[in-house]
Amino acid sequence: DAKTTQPNSMESNEEEPVHLPCNHSTISGTDYIHWYRQLPSQGPEYVIHGLTSNVNNRMASLAIAEDRKSSTLILHRATLRDAAVYYCILRNNNAGNMLTFGGGTRLMVKP
Amino acid sequence: DSGVTQTPKHLITATGQRVTLRCSPRSGDLSVYWYQQSLDQGLQFLIQYYNGEERAKGNILERFSAQQFPDLHSELNLSSLELGDSALYFCASSVEAGTGYEKLFFGSGTQLSVL
Repeated sequence: DAKTTQPNSMESNEEEPVHLPCNHSTISGTDYIHWYRQLPSQGPEYVIHGLTSNVNNRMASLAIAEDRKSSTLILHRATLRDAAVYYCILRNNNAGNMLTFGGGTRLMVKP
Repeated sequence: DSGVTQTPKHLITATGQRVTLRCSPRSGDLSVYWYQQSLDQGLQFLIQYYNGEERAKGNILERFSAQQFPDLHSELNLSSLELGDSALYFCASSVEAGTGYEKLFFGSGTQLSVL
């Protein structure tokens, strides 16, 4: 399975933008880039996903490098509720392919 | 609320015992996934069922088994429990068997404590 590399932790100030990086240099052409987050004492929660183009939704934006070897999750205005572990995961289009979680990035948001 | 229901929320038992964790997927979802989260191992995939059939297997111990019933709910059975089995167990569901683009929806987990 193609792997991802994320910083262990990041810190942000409330109401400022946050850019969470992810490297996936061995990504294949059929791998989708997924982001999930896990708030304290909760199950993981879907954030966003993309294949080649940048994506926006109500939670975040996903910027994908042209060579697809890296991506960045952008939270436009961090709130205290955004403090969580963020996981960048590659998911293939083969049926049965589950999410394989790495260590993720622990985001701390300061008031 | 993800729509995935897990029961019980907490379970305390003794070593050597057997427990059953239950998961009801979101309405319309055919696939169920089980994950284990411990402090030292992170989130580990255990097993996936799709429409009643086992679809994928991860790092699931032989002492653990699962099944998905005709009404699509799933149960994870853990037997001969050891202290190291203490963890959070999550269930997730999705519509299909696991295409690259679809989302997984996770329940809030069952906290298992083996004393």
